[in-house]
Amino acid sequence: AAGVIQSPRHLIKEKRETATLKCYPIPRHDTVYWYQQGPGQDPQFLISFYEKMQSDKGSIPDRFSAQQFSDYHSELNMSSLELGDSALYFCASSLGPEGTDTQYFGPGTRLTVL
Amino acid sequence: GENVEQHPSTLSVQEGDSAVIKCTYSDSASNYFPWYKQELGKGPQLIIDIRSNVGEKKDQRIAVTLNKTAKHFSLHITETQPEDSAVYFCAAWDAGGTSYGKLTFGQGTILTVHP
Repeated sequence: AAGVIQSPRHLIKEKRETATLKCYPIPRHDTVYWYQQGPGQDPQFLISFYEKMQSDKGSIPDRFSAQQFSDYHSELNMSSLELGDSALYFCASSLGPEGTDTQYFGPGTRLTVL
Repeated sequence: GENVEQHPSTLSVQEGDSAVIKCTYSDSASNYFPWYKQELGKGPQLIIDIRSNVGEKKDQRIAVTLNKTAKHFSLHITETQPEDSAVYFCAAWDAGGTSYGKLTFGQGTILTVHP
């Protein structure tokens, strides 16, 4: 079965640079979630989109922005990168935005900021 | 907002033994509780979930129980195998007063199954 696709899988950036992470949800899924996971930490919710509209917002820095496009893929844009932004970034998708709609996670993008 | 506490943080068992991981949550309005397994370098994979209208759910060697009164839920793995070794996360759906809400995760349990 098709899974969530994330690209790139690994990304190395310098401080103050920008980065763009992409997420392609499971076909027919209309809801996308972004999470940040630091080393040894649990995933922290950043932001979500349902039908191309922002549906909820978590602890996402103002330096980050995201959107969902007409084909339901989503991009997380990160500017003025800091060392502390180094983490795994996961995208998850679901068929519907309700709490009981199962979220399926992608393989993640490992961002390293030097 | 929702707060999820997970215990233990590490769990070591012998192959064939059972493993139990427990979570508590704070928001009595939460109604969906998934469990994820995360292997090194991979994304969390859903292994089982439970909704608030049931008290127990089982899928082969894995079971989850939910006590809404006490606001806790547990993952039970029987006949553990070395390939069960991973980090396990519980989560609870936090409506948080917003239109849809989000998942709040527990801190994770590192399960090691020794052959």
